Amino acid sequence: GENVEQHPSTLSVQEGDSAVIKCTYSDSASNYFPWYKQELGKRPQLIIDIRSNVGEKKDQRIAVTLNKTAKHFSLHITETQPEDSAVYFCAASPRVRGSTLGRLYFGRGTQLTVWP
Amino acid sequence: DTEVTQTPKHLVMGMTNKKSLKCEQHMGHRAMYWYKQKAKKPPELMFVYSYEKLSINESVPSRFSPECPNSSLLNLHLHALQPEDSALYLCASSQDRGEGAKNIQYFGAGTRLSVL
Repeated sequence: GENVEQHPSTLSVQEGDSAVIKCTYSDSASNYFPWYKQELGKRPQLIIDIRSNVGEKKDQRIAVTLNKTAKHFSLHITETQPEDSAVYFCAASPRVRGSTLGRLYFGRGTQLTVWP
Repeated sequence: DTEVTQTPKHLVMGMTNKKSLKCEQHMGHRAMYWYKQKAKKPPELMFVYSYEKLSINESVPSRFSPECPNSSLLNLHLHALQPEDSALYLCASSQDRGEGAKNIQYFGAGTRLSVL
């Protein structure tokens, strides 16, 4: 099955700095890559996603890049703010039919702390 | 509206109790998921229902029994749980298990379960 590795496990940055979280995946059949943000005691919230037919997607301060050849994708947060502090999970989802279709395979998460 | 509603928010139960968790969505989604999440860990998939039929059971112990009475509602019946089952139980839904925008998963706020 799919295996998603996520690094780093913790990341501390000063407010205003950029933060980058990287994920690699193993299954070339994966074609959908969402990123979820989970604040303490809250639900995972989809913040951005990318499909394998594009290399980059931006939404205000957040961007995701995808390198299909290398099988890795990254989350970039610019001008970080204290409210960006949360656990961020990457995930990969394969397009193969059967039991894996639509499943999300999560990375282990990155605890991001933004210091004021 | 991307609302998935879970009740109760918190639940404390003894090892001999029987209780149920409830999940509801009114987005017309036809795929619904149960996840278990321990602190600072990614969600672990337990069950997937697709068009009200159980599609995936991730070898979950029989003390967890899912039920999908209709396309909007998903239950998780709990019986004779162990203390190690204490966790956050998350429900999610997606349009269906297909490709493209159909497999974007939206999470509920979860039920925090404590087994004494």
